[in-house]
Amino acid sequence: SQKIEQNSEALNIQEGKTATLTCNYTNYSPAYLQWYRQDPGRGPVFLLLIRENEKEKRKERLKVTFDTTLKQSLFHITASQPADSATYLCAVPNAGNNRKLIWGLGTSLAVNP
Amino acid sequence: EPEVTQTPSHQVTQMGQEVILRCVPISNHLYFYWYRQILGQKVEFLVSFYNNEISEKSEIFDDQFSVERPDGSNFTLKIRSTKLEDSAMYFCASSEPGRGNGYTFGSGTRLTVV
Repeated sequence: SQKIEQNSEALNIQEGKTATLTCNYTNYSPAYLQWYRQDPGRGPVFLLLIRENEKEKRKERLKVTFDTTLKQSLFHITASQPADSATYLCAVPNAGNNRKLIWGLGTSLAVNP
Repeated sequence: EPEVTQTPSHQVTQMGQEVILRCVPISNHLYFYWYRQILGQKVEFLVSFYNNEISEKSEIFDDQFSVERPDGSNFTLKIRSTKLEDSAMYFCASSEPGRGNGYTFGSGTRLTVV
């Protein structure tokens, strides 16, 4: 079955630098991959979706890449700010049912001023 | 910006009791979901709902759980005979038609079973 792996170690970076987070999937290539932000005690907030035929997607300071050969997506936040500090979750649809999302545990990002 | 609203934000219940978690999805969304997140663990799919019926459910979603859309706006999750291990954050979400749209999540209900 599909598993999503994200760096469990927290990422600490300096304000203004680029944060790069990794999401790996273990099995089939998903039709798309989604990135969410989650703050403590809150629900996930949708950020970006990238489809399997797209290599890269951008939205303001965010950039997502999708490499089906490596079975990996990278999530970049450029010019990071302390307000970007949160946990970032990766999710993909389950095979055979695109409505059920399978989630990674998330990577905690701390941007230090 | 449209929001998914969940109530209550926190519910404490005795083991064995029934709870109903309530959600108001975004009005023009057609797909509704319940997910849960046990503290420190991954978000887990429970059930998806479309056209007034369950379209998919996980192995977690057994006879203890049920969902209902009693009117045009509310979407509820009922948990019968709660167990200690049901303690978690329960998130309602909705999405627009079309595969691959992002989901809008509510802020969640923290359920504590004692």
